[in-house]
Amino acid sequence: AQSVTQPDIHITVSEGASLELRCNYSYGATPYLFWYVQSPGQGLQLLLKYFSGDTLVQGIKGFEAEFKRSQSSFNLRKPSVHWSDAAEYFCAVGGRNRDDKIIFGKGTRLHILP
Amino acid sequence: DAGVIQSPRHEVTEMGQEVTLRCKPISGHDYLFWYRQTMMRGLELLIYFNNNVPIDDSGMPEDRFSAKMPNASFSTLKIQPSEPRDSAVYFCASSQDAFLLEQYFGPGTRLTVT
Repeated sequence: AQSVTQPDIHITVSEGASLELRCNYSYGATPYLFWYVQSPGQGLQLLLKYFSGDTLVQGIKGFEAEFKRSQSSFNLRKPSVHWSDAAEYFCAVGGRNRDDKIIFGKGTRLHILP
Repeated sequence: DAGVIQSPRHEVTEMGQEVTLRCKPISGHDYLFWYRQTMMRGLELLIYFNNNVPIDDSGMPEDRFSAKMPNASFSTLKIQPSEPRDSAVYFCASSQDAFLLEQYFGPGTRLTVT
């Protein structure tokens, strides 16, 4: 079965600064990888996903993520954050077997300084 | 489409009472998922349905929890009797595929058991 780790519980960056949120996974093959965002009081929304092909994936709201097989990582990046990006971000891993379920990380809460 | 609809948004109940959470998935989505989110355990998959049939309920914590999907547009998650440790945010999500496509989350029900 797969697992996922988000090492940072909280991250604080200044508005306009660049952002990188870390995600590490464990799975015997190339997994399906997702990043979701949760704004306060709302459900999760998909930012981007990786299934195969180009390892740099573009998502909504100016986010991108890079799949690095050698590091078992799928880090989320944004070149310049906006105050509206303050939210909780979840990395998720799905397996390639039909019965594999999606596993969510514990989340990283992003705080933006004005 | 209005998205995934959950009710109630907030529920406060006393220990021992029965609690019923409701969900209306997005029309045309064949898969419905129930998740529980807590600070300690993060986001956990409780059960999911395909075409109204429960496929995997291995995440349901105890026999006090039960879920039904009587038709394609309605599902319930019931806790009887409720306990303080059941306090959490419960999310319903729907999708056109089990775990390979985006899951659309509802706004969640915040349950407090006193």
